Amino acid sequence: EADIYQTPRYLVIGTGKKITLECSQTMGHDKMYWYQQDPGMELHLIHYSYGVNSTEKGDLSSESTVSRIRTEHFPLTLESARPSHTSQYLCASIPTGAFYEQYFGPGTRLTVT
Amino acid sequence: DAKTTQPNSMESNEEEPVHLPCNHSTISGTDYIHWYRQLPSQGPEYVIHGLTSNVNNRMASLAIAEDRKSSTLILHRATLRDAAVYYCILNDYKLSFGAGTTVTVRA
Repeated sequence: EADIYQTPRYLVIGTGKKITLECSQTMGHDKMYWYQQDPGMELHLIHYSYGVNSTEKGDLSSESTVSRIRTEHFPLTLESARPSHTSQYLCASIPTGAFYEQYFGPGTRLTVT
Repeated sequence: DAKTTQPNSMESNEEEPVHLPCNHSTISGTDYIHWYRQLPSQGPEYVIHGLTSNVNNRMASLAIAEDRKSSTLILHRATLRDAAVYYCILNDYKLSFGAGTTVTVRA
């Protein structure tokens, strides 16, 4: 069983602020993902990484950026938050050597006022 | 990337089986078929996956057509806890989710 941690779980912040959503996993998984999901809507892949120093953009264009300096850590940053960024952000990872059984974190619900 | 097609919604009665279809006519020979589900207010969770043969686990069964252009997730006895959005996705490393099928279970 993999442990995926996301902090904060809830964040309310004003327009123009810089924010970083944290995601970490303790199982040494090489593949990590960020998804964005509005309530009742489809899950959209916005970033993914196959390992350290590897980052790719997903299917949905996003103004956020990510980094992968350590295997266990995959933070997402918004340089200047806007109300359109209000959404839930879900982080996930897949075990090394596998490409199934993706494990999801609890998510961060972001509200930009 | 290979794509999948699922019905938007399905309804079932409690204790009855649920058959969730998925079409993937452009599947390649090495694509695995994955199923995930997302319960209300939670992140998706893995259900089952397969390549060519039918698969069973404690949560569900996966029936794969001989030509692999379609598959069916089978929940043998639906419970209220099975009400969720079910996603059928093909193995690519991006693991992109579509709209899925919203399953409603009536008591």
